[in-house]
Amino acid sequence: AQTVTQSQPEMSVQEAETVTLSCTYDTSESDYYLFWYKQPPSRQMILVIRQEAYKQQNATENRFSVNFQKAAKSFSLKISDSQLGDAAMYFCALISNSNSGYALNFGKGTSLLVTP
Amino acid sequence: DTEVTQTPKHLVMGMTNKKSLKCEQHMGHRAMYWYKQKAKKPPELMFVYSYEKLSINESVPSRFSPECPNSSLLNLHLHALQPEDSALYLCASSPLNNEKLFFGSGTQLSVL
Repeated sequence: AQTVTQSQPEMSVQEAETVTLSCTYDTSESDYYLFWYKQPPSRQMILVIRQEAYKQQNATENRFSVNFQKAAKSFSLKISDSQLGDAAMYFCALISNSNSGYALNFGKGTSLLVTP
Repeated sequence: DTEVTQTPKHLVMGMTNKKSLKCEQHMGHRAMYWYKQKAKKPPELMFVYSYEKLSINESVPSRFSPECPNSSLLNLHLHALQPEDSALYLCASSPLNNEKLFFGSGTQLSVL
């Protein structure tokens, strides 16, 4: 069984500041991928960043970066220079290779509030 | 075209109605998914289709009936739903050799 745990139901950050969202996971698979998805009030699921488990280098996408600690099964998201448009629900997700397609396992989410 | 299109965006139905949700993608993806999401909760996987065949059914009640008529289209047929089935229904697709899922914007379903 695979589990994804986000221990912060809500976080708040001031505009232009940096915030880190936490995520831990558990899987017995050796081949897997980790994601952060953003869901704004429109409820569209938007992929923020992706990390392949076999890669040691942490993924970065502009202001978004991850701290991937494979041994600790930790996958945190850092948002730098926060903007009002970053306010959303953020879901950490895990996917492992399967012959039947890829089934995402989501954490419970962290609601991020950005204040001016 | 990198979109997954879901129709309708909103649906209100009675418990005795029969309705269908539609999902379409033209990215050549061979895996398609239905997720159900309640407010302030993460999406929950319902069904996975790979090569137009049902490969995962997460013990979904039979009042939800998926159908994949071709590689671009995924339907979810609804019959005799309950008020607790009210939720956002998200469709997604992915290439089978690539783990990246593309999501549609969802159908907000209300069952009265």
